[in-house]
Amino acid sequence: AQSVAQPEDQVNVAEGNPLTVKCTYSVSGNPYLFWYVQYPNRGLQFLLKYITGDNLVKGSYGFEAEFNKSQTSFHLKKPSALVSDSALYFCAVRDGATNAGKSTFGDGTTLTVKP
Amino acid sequence: KAGVTQTPRYLIKTRGQQVTLSCSPISGHRSVSWYQQTPGQGLQFLFEYFSETQRNKGNFPGRFSGRQFSNSRSEMNVSTLELGDSALYLCASSFGLEQETQYFGPGTRLLVL
Repeated sequence: AQSVAQPEDQVNVAEGNPLTVKCTYSVSGNPYLFWYVQYPNRGLQFLLKYITGDNLVKGSYGFEAEFNKSQTSFHLKKPSALVSDSALYFCAVRDGATNAGKSTFGDGTTLTVKP
Repeated sequence: KAGVTQTPRYLIKTRGQQVTLSCSPISGHRSVSWYQQTPGQGLQFLFEYFSETQRNKGNFPGRFSGRQFSNSRSEMNVSTLELGDSALYLCASSFGLEQETQYFGPGTRLLVL
């Protein structure tokens, strides 16, 4: 079975400060990890993914994430937050050995960036 | 390249009715997955189709069904609607391999009265 945990329902940061949104996962095979962002009344927009290779993954809009196999984590980061980054963020995992097409999502973290 | 499209965007039904939602994937994508999003349960996987075959299924009752056509377009059907079926239904498409990114449509918001 595969699972994802986003331990924080809400993250608040000031504009210009660095931000981190946490994610931990559990899979039986190799993990394929994804971050998505959702704005109100919209679908999910893909930010970045880790499949294999370099543990630091760079994605859209200045976001990056670090894969840590020993801690089974895939935290989303950005060096300098913008007010426009305020949204709902989802971490997702897919088991590399099975479950093609089935992603398991965390419960989401609401990021609020204050001016 | 056009993104994933879903129709209709909004739908109001009453208990006991049935509903059909449609999803057109990105051109060239052969996999379509469906998810239900609710405030209480978050994003839950419904099923995935690849080349007209259901390849994976989530833990939903048999009232939820789907199909995929030869052009990769997909429909999902919910029969005998219940109040708890009110949700945002999201469709995602990809090329179909495990490592491929899923791209989501805007969703269909279903309200069951």
